[in-house]
Amino acid sequence: EAGVAQSPRYKIIEKRQSVAFWCNPISGHATLYWYQQILGQGPKLLIQFQNNGVVDDSQLPKDRFSAERLKGVDSTLKIQPAKLEDSAVYLCASSLVTGFQTQYFGPGTRLLVL
Amino acid sequence: KNEVEQSPQNLTAQEGEFITINCSYSVGISALHWLQQHPGGGIVSLFMLSSGKKKHGRLIATINIQEKHSSLHITASHPRDSAVYICAVSSAAGNKLTFGGGTRVLVKP
Repeated sequence: EAGVAQSPRYKIIEKRQSVAFWCNPISGHATLYWYQQILGQGPKLLIQFQNNGVVDDSQLPKDRFSAERLKGVDSTLKIQPAKLEDSAVYLCASSLVTGFQTQYFGPGTRLLVL
Repeated sequence: KNEVEQSPQNLTAQEGEFITINCSYSVGISALHWLQQHPGGGIVSLFMLSSGKKKHGRLIATINIQEKHSSLHITASHPRDSAVYICAVSSAAGNKLTFGGGTRVLVKP
């Protein structure tokens, strides 16, 4: 079974530029999560999708971050414009359904904003 | 105060030593997860437990619901166990994970 795929693996941009990350969850997984992990800290949930609907985006900085999962499968997370403090690893995870379920994580995209 | 606290933040052990990582939480939960993150790699789920104790190979996880505390033990530690170990709790509704800050473990040969 293929795991959660993410691209790119690494990205370096200058502040005020835009960047987009892509995630393809495990086939059949209805729930998709985007996390931000700043160096030395645990992951922080940015947004959670159930199929193509948003379940929780309470910690997403909506003035600069956006995410979509139009067909309920793969998802993109965009930052526009980026700030220095956005430097982090962005992790995508998926689970079969929401609730008492194991989440499977992708390898992450490491973003550096200069 | 964070909802999930881990200790220690960093741990160095010699190969073969017994390692214990602790996790305390302050909210109602439906389950507690122990995760492993290798440098540059993604996160792997080790255990999901809501009571008692689970064992997988050299790893043992325990949870005390009354005390809101869990421990992850590594027996006969090996350099390949070097990683960040993260404790996370599922909310009472089961639909949200809250993560601890992680414990960085280094096992020296």
